[in-house]
Amino acid sequence: DAGVIQSPRHEVTEMGQEVTLRCKPISGHNSLFWYRQTMMRGLELLIYFNNNVPIDDSGMPEDRFSAKMPNASFSTLKIQPSEPRDSAVYFCASRPGQGSVRTDTQYFGPGTRLTVL
Amino acid sequence: AQSVAQPEDQVNVAEGNPLTVKCTYSVSGNPYLFWYVQYPNRGLQFLLKYITGDNLVKGSYGFEAEFNKSQTSFHLKKPSALVSDSALYFCAVRNVETGNQFYFGTGTSLTVIP
Repeated sequence: DAGVIQSPRHEVTEMGQEVTLRCKPISGHNSLFWYRQTMMRGLELLIYFNNNVPIDDSGMPEDRFSAKMPNASFSTLKIQPSEPRDSAVYFCASRPGQGSVRTDTQYFGPGTRLTVL
Repeated sequence: AQSVAQPEDQVNVAEGNPLTVKCTYSVSGNPYLFWYVQYPNRGLQFLLKYITGDNLVKGSYGFEAEFNKSQTSFHLKKPSALVSDSALYFCAVRNVETGNQFYFGTGTSLTVIP
């Protein structure tokens, strides 16, 4: 099992540019989470999906951020336009969901380090 | 392979007793170590971290963790457990020498019994 896959691993862009982060959850997992980690604020939940449906996006900082999950094996987090304060590490995690022995377990991807200049 | 292991899926402890949640890591170089807590229906919250210095790190809600380099462990501890400590706990390690890669454990479910 390859685990949760995120791409790119590192992204450096200029202010105002569109940034798209990608995530492939573990096959068979029903829930997907997007987190942002900064030194100042720690790890923050941005949005999570159950069965491809967004359940709670209250953590999305503003309208510049959007997330989609068009199918069970792919999700994107888009920032348009990007700003320097968006610089952080963005994590994707997936969770098995109902029917699993450990329904709460989250498996994290390696993260995408975003730098906005 | 670089990884983080939380050997216990579930830990049960009586209220008022000390608790320990175990974490071991396998990362080359000098790691940064973290503990996070997740309460039901919420995202992860930062508890504490070790970067350098004193091996005993104190964090939020009375938690502490001890970095043991020889045993490559970073166990989370609390002298007296509260029912409200019941949650899911994640250990994570960041390898700053190989591109700041983060590795998370799969979590340990802590239940504090009244």
